[in-house]
Amino acid sequence: EDQVTQSPEALRLQEGESSSLNCSYTVSGLRGLFWYRQDPGKGPEFLFTLYSAGEEKEKERLKATLTKKESFLHITAPKPEDSATYLCAAAYSWGKLQFGAGTQVVVTP
Amino acid sequence: GAVVSQHPSWVICKSGTSVKIECRSLDFQATTMFWYRQFPKQSLMLMATSNEGSKATYEQGVEKDKFLINHASLTLSTLTVTSAHPEDSSFYICSATTGTSQYDEQFFGPGTRLTVL
Repeated sequence: EDQVTQSPEALRLQEGESSSLNCSYTVSGLRGLFWYRQDPGKGPEFLFTLYSAGEEKEKERLKATLTKKESFLHITAPKPEDSATYLCAAAYSWGKLQFGAGTQVVVTP
Repeated sequence: GAVVSQHPSWVICKSGTSVKIECRSLDFQATTMFWYRQFPKQSLMLMATSNEGSKATYEQGVEKDKFLINHASLTLSTLTVTSAHPEDSSFYICSATTGTSQYDEQFFGPGTRLTVL
């Protein structure tokens, strides 16, 4: 069964304290691994797409990496505005995304 | 960037009534739109895929007669929850893609909070 699992469920960080979020997937025929940011009561905001193992992408304090079984989202020196729920999603068929439950990140000053 | 809007942003209705939710792509033509449902503290679950001018494709376990989807134009898709019941209360989110590639980024709307009393 195709599954996307994110860990940890929640993460509390001090401002400037770097950390990593994990997304493991068991999706056959993966066509892409997406990372989104979701603020409370809002729709997901696109961050990255990764297509092949070894690929890395960066955007400001965020860096996403992909292996054959998992993806990591590294947050370097986070700021309070990085507080959000981070979702990963595996594209398993044309246009279809299977989402993980998300990691809720809280960054305190 | 591409913008997707949803209307209404929240709605409260009585059990047994029908509710229509609109999803619009504001600055691009969306050949494909997706409808998701999200329960508190849970992930987004894909409900259906709709392509302009054709019938929607529903995911397993989603009642197509209860969740009516119409994709009448390249910028508008609607989801109608018929005979809503309290268990239908959820956060409904649509997304849209230009659909030229299966790797296309999906642009998400802000979501609609449905509460059925």
